Amino acid sequence: GQQLNQSPQSMFIQEGEDVSMNCTSSSIFNTWLWYKQEPGEGPVLLIALYKAGELTSNGRLTAQFGITRKDSFLNISASIPSDVGIYFCAGLGGATNKLIFGTGTLLAVQP
Amino acid sequence: DTGVSQNPRHKITKRGQNVTFRCDPISEHNRLYWYRQTLGQGPEFLTYFQNEAQLEKSRLLSDRFSAERPKGSFSTLEIQRTEQGDSAMYLCASSLGLAWRASLFSGANVLTFGAGSRLTVL
Repeated sequence: GQQLNQSPQSMFIQEGEDVSMNCTSSSIFNTWLWYKQEPGEGPVLLIALYKAGELTSNGRLTAQFGITRKDSFLNISASIPSDVGIYFCAGLGGATNKLIFGTGTLLAVQP
Repeated sequence: DTGVSQNPRHKITKRGQNVTFRCDPISEHNRLYWYRQTLGQGPEFLTYFQNEAQLEKSRLLSDRFSAERPKGSFSTLEIQRTEQGDSAMYLCASSLGLAWRASLFSGANVLTFGAGSRLTVL
């Protein structure tokens, strides 16, 4: 199935560091979403973006909807051990009602 | 309402057996989705319902797979004659399901996921 290109594939960082990950697509989306998934659980929504160029924050998380509508990034500032998990971007388009997911970024935080 | 509920959480079965998973969506949500996730991959779309109507099916959904949502509330996903390649996490999600223009710039069509049903085929 179709998946979005997400990078990096994995990150191993020290507690307190900032993190940045991004997602690109060959298709335009009307909505970009960022989810976090922990082992054995379903994805949990972190941030939703609805307009091209929109910059949205949720606590230490900041995400932006790219101007071209084909990309998005997520930043996590001052990482803590509970940030550990897999982060997925996902796009929702006008022509389809299905959410297309990225390949995921595994984040490991060393205390 | 505590969110999207999936049962069973784990299922181990022998190759060739049939399995069925159930999903109870958020009560006011019209749309219900099934996704499959294998290790190291993002969730992949299988199918979705708008109320009781199944509106789209992925090519990933072989003829051994069938999904139903008979009364527009809960849904079941059945896999017949399971194969080892069917081993995966099966995720259910739901959303309000407004028409595209009505949902623009809002969270109406954002998917809320359940905890998933992990299938292991021996």
